[in-house]
Amino acid sequence: AQTVTQSQPEMSVQEAETVTLSCTYDTSENNYYLFWYKQPPSRQMILVIRQEAYKQQNATENRFSVNFQKAAKSFSLKISDSQLGDTAMYFCAFSTGGFKTIFGAGTRLFVKA
Amino acid sequence: DTEVTQTPKHLVMGMTNKKSLKCEQHMGHRAMYWYKQKAKKPPELMFVYSYEKLSINESVPSRFSPECPNSSLLNLHLHALQPEDSALYLCASSLTGLTTFEQFFGPGTRLTVL
Repeated sequence: AQTVTQSQPEMSVQEAETVTLSCTYDTSENNYYLFWYKQPPSRQMILVIRQEAYKQQNATENRFSVNFQKAAKSFSLKISDSQLGDTAMYFCAFSTGGFKTIFGAGTRLFVKA
Repeated sequence: DTEVTQTPKHLVMGMTNKKSLKCEQHMGHRAMYWYKQKAKKPPELMFVYSYEKLSINESVPSRFSPECPNSSLLNLHLHALQPEDSALYLCASSLTGLTTFEQFFGPGTRLTVL
């Protein structure tokens, strides 16, 4: 069975600093897709970043980047220059390309002014 | 238009009521999803429609009845719900049912069952 583990239930970071959210997963598949979704308080969930397992290069979207370690089955999210608007629940998610996406338990991130 | 809309935003219903949740997207996506989300928890998949056909039912109780009248619209009919069904119900869509593509989520309907 495939699983996604986020070991940090809550984190906080000072505005303008950098924070890294951890995610590990377990699968026997060789080809799969990884995602980080952001769910701000009382607002809808949006995709932050997406990584295809067959690509060695780490995905980057503006201040958001990932450290994808396929052998270690690790997919951490780094947020640089944290902003107050980054306060949200962050879900790591995994898919083999079928109909289902498996979500981790989430990490609640607080950005302090 | 890159938006998934859901109505109503809030719904309070008794255990004997019948109500419906509505979800709409105009992005040309051919897969639509219903999720249930409890507070501080990840979304739990309930149903997946792909090309207007029900592709996945995650053993959801029959008091939840999905319907996909066309490729842009997804309904969730509710009947004889229990208090433990109180949650945020999220609709999502994606280009196809293959989850290689990102899912676009709606804002959700916050359901309270009394």
